Amino acid sequence: GQQLNQSPQSMFIQEGEDVSMNCTSSSIFNTWLWYKQEPGEGPVLLIALYKAGELTSNGRLTAQFGITRKDSFLNISASIPSDVGIYFCAGVLGSNYKLTFGKGTLLTVNP
Amino acid sequence: DTGVSQDPRHKITKRGQNVTFRCDPISEHNRLYWYRQTLGQGPEFLTYFQNEAQLEKSRLLSDRFSAERPKGSFSTLEIQRTEQGDSAMYLCASSLSSGVGNTIYFGEGSWLTVV
Repeated sequence: GQQLNQSPQSMFIQEGEDVSMNCTSSSIFNTWLWYKQEPGEGPVLLIALYKAGELTSNGRLTAQFGITRKDSFLNISASIPSDVGIYFCAGVLGSNYKLTFGKGTLLTVNP
Repeated sequence: DTGVSQDPRHKITKRGQNVTFRCDPISEHNRLYWYRQTLGQGPEFLTYFQNEAQLEKSRLLSDRFSAERPKGSFSTLEIQRTEQGDSAMYLCASSLSSGVGNTIYFGEGSWLTVV
């Protein structure tokens, strides 16, 4: 079945630093989504990408849909303490919108 | 709040008991999904509905699990004869079924602890 490799598994950074994380897949997707999850809560949608090569921003967050359709990255600029959480990538193939998730990147920001 | 709503948020049950979770999707969304998430993992797909029809079920959904969406609005997920391995967060999500931009929005989840 499809697998998503998300890296890094965890990041420990200082406030103000930029962050980059990515996902790669063994097969293509036609939609990439990035979610943030805080302890005890459900995932919250950050950015959605629908076309290969698409680059989309949401405030300090920027994400891109890879040209090969097998990868995506998420950048966070000028991190702040409230960025702490687990970031998940998720891919969708086909029209049924079933998500395949990565294992997440745990982000810790030191104030 | 017009987001996806789940109830209860937390449930502790004894092994062997039955539990039921309810999900109310975003009102105009005709697709509803159930996912399960264990510690340190991303959510895993269990099943989804388009309106009242259950269109796909994962092999993760054993015979002890049943989901319904009788009127195409809210949904219930029932787990019979719970086992300790059922302990997880059960996430509900919803979306529209067509068009670009119909992304999936999750609820806050229902934590299940089986003791």
